[in-house]
Amino acid sequence: DQQVKQNSPSLSVQEGRISILNCDYTNSMFDYFLWYKKYPAEGPTFLISISSIKDKNEDGRFTVFLNKSAKHLSLHIVPSQPGDSAVYFCAARRNTGNQFYFGTGTSLTVIP
Amino acid sequence: GAVVSQHPSRVICKSGTSVKIECRSLDFQATTMFWYRQFPKQSLMLMATSNEGSKATYEQGVEKDKFLINHASLTLSTLTVTSAHPEDSSFYICSARMADAYEQYFGPGTRLTVT
Repeated sequence: DQQVKQNSPSLSVQEGRISILNCDYTNSMFDYFLWYKKYPAEGPTFLISISSIKDKNEDGRFTVFLNKSAKHLSLHIVPSQPGDSAVYFCAARRNTGNQFYFGTGTSLTVIP
Repeated sequence: GAVVSQHPSRVICKSGTSVKIECRSLDFQATTMFWYRQFPKQSLMLMATSNEGSKATYEQGVEKDKFLINHASLTLSTLTVTSAHPEDSSFYICSARMADAYEQYFGPGTRLTVT
């Protein structure tokens, strides 16, 4: 049962434009969310996080938005750069444990 | 900071043999380490959680006798795949977490191929 879903397997964006990656979850017990970036044959790299007590967190070009009522979060990258091309995973943690549940990833391609 | 290494990065072994994968936190103390497995085009699946000095907690469906996890120190955890079979071929990734932190820092992964 996939509790964290990334329904878009891929996304292409022109350099300089905004990239929006979406993530939906089903478990209302999730209280902490992270985004990871992954290059082929490498482990994921932590990008940005957000706690359920917030609805927005910003770090440079990266902003994560959380809509708890819709059980939806999104990652905005602006402006997008070719080096941002990678697979992005969202992950969610339940408030009663250590385990993170990962989405299946969205492959972002930023076209120069 | 927060670098995690894994060794080896790739390993090919024969069916029936055992393989050990190391996960090290290079510049911080990891009170908790996690082992994940990833199949092609699928998400990371947590296999087990280990806390330094105690037994690992395995997720449902993961055979603890097959996937032996040892977290002997605050900087090292090992995963041993015993009596490996071709269906164990996968990408294994570890992550490490500091005390009182949420973020997990991932290693680069190990590609295991069992022939």
